[in-house]
Amino acid sequence: KQEVTQIPAALSVPEGENLVLNCSFTDSAIYNLQWFRQDPGKGLTSLLLIQSSQREQTSGRLNASLDKSSGRSTLYIAASQPGDSATYLCAGGRYGQNFVFGPGTRLSVLP
Amino acid sequence: NAGVTQTPKFQVLKTGQSMTLQCAQDMNHEYMSWYRQDPGMGLRLIHYSVGAGITDQGEVPNGYNVSRSTTEDFPLRLLSAAPSQTSVYFCASSYGGGSDYEQYFGPGTRLTVT
Repeated sequence: KQEVTQIPAALSVPEGENLVLNCSFTDSAIYNLQWFRQDPGKGLTSLLLIQSSQREQTSGRLNASLDKSSGRSTLYIAASQPGDSATYLCAGGRYGQNFVFGPGTRLSVLP
Repeated sequence: NAGVTQTPKFQVLKTGQSMTLQCAQDMNHEYMSWYRQDPGMGLRLIHYSVGAGITDQGEVPNGYNVSRSTTEDFPLRLLSAAPSQTSVYFCASSYGGGSDYEQYFGPGTRLTVT
């Protein structure tokens, strides 16, 4: 059974820091990997999708990479801002199988 | 486009009551799914559908029922509510099935069973 770990579980940083969130899968045969943001009491907002032929994706201050040999992904957030405070979840799965979600990393960026 | 919509936003049930959580999408997506989110456990798949008339079970299907009569709608029915079903429920849709395509989520329904 695929299991997903996200490290750290929670993170508190001062504004302006660059930070890295980690996600790892017990089954490294990930087809697509998606990173989401979830604000308190809200739904999930898609941030980045790394498709099967890709190794990384970038959107503004966000960069996500996927190492398929190890089943590990990192989400890099540059120059963090208080508005980045949220829970970040990763999800991935084998081809033709459903996404499996990690438990999330709760990020607080202090002004 | 409204994207994925869910109703109600909040619901309180007594043990044994039944109810239906509504989900609709206007993106003409074939694949729709229901998840529950519990603290510290991430999202777990309840049921999913790869198209109208086709549904299948996910990781935690017991106590829930689904049907898909149209592409747009995918309701989730709680047959006899139990306190263990207290959770936040999310509906999602995507162009195709499984992890092959980007998923879009609704805002969620927060259910409390007393």
